[in-house]
Amino acid sequence: AQSVTQLGSHVSVSEGALVLLRCNYSSSVPPYLFWYVQYPNQGLQLLLKYTTGATLVKGINGFEAEFKKSETSFHLTKPSAHMSDAAEYFCAVSDRGAGSYQLTFGKGTKLSVIP
Amino acid sequence: DGGITQSPKYLFRKEGQNVTLSCEQNLNHDAMYWYRQDPGQGLRLIYYSQIVNDFQKGDIAEGYSVSREKKESFPLTVTSAQKNPTAFYLCASSVGGRIEKLFFGSGTQLSVL
Repeated sequence: AQSVTQLGSHVSVSEGALVLLRCNYSSSVPPYLFWYVQYPNQGLQLLLKYTTGATLVKGINGFEAEFKKSETSFHLTKPSAHMSDAAEYFCAVSDRGAGSYQLTFGKGTKLSVIP
Repeated sequence: DGGITQSPKYLFRKEGQNVTLSCEQNLNHDAMYWYRQDPGQGLRLIYYSQIVNDFQKGDIAEGYSVSREKKESFPLTVTSAQKNPTAFYLCASSVGGRIEKLFFGSGTQLSVL
């Protein structure tokens, strides 16, 4: 079974500082990889995804993530944090191929941005 | 605009009561999903449906039931058998089996009185 580990349930950064949220997965075959963002009392919004091709993936709001097969990682970064980035972030994985209907989510990392 | 509508936003359940959470989508998506979110626990899949009149259990289906009589609707009933129903419930949909294109509703917070 797949599993996802997000290191750090809560990360605080200063406004303008680098954002780094860590995600490691456990899967025998490289899965599809996702990062979602959730603002309080709202649903999840897809930030970016890796399915195939270039391992450095760019998403919305200036975020990007790099798939590293050797490290089984998919860490999320943003060069300069903004106050509006304060939210909870979820890493998720899915088996490859059509017919895969399940996403496995990490437990989430709450990002605080200090002015 | 197309999207997923969940209602109500907040719901309260009394002991021994069944409650139903609504999920409607106008995206013409084939597949729909229900997730449960607990603080610090991420999201866990309750049920999913790939086509009308068909649905499968997810990881935590006990104490829940669903129906899929129409393509655009996938209501979730939290039964009295679910002893710890307090959570945030999220509905999602996707085009066919393309899990990489998952859209979420804004959620329903269920609490026990």
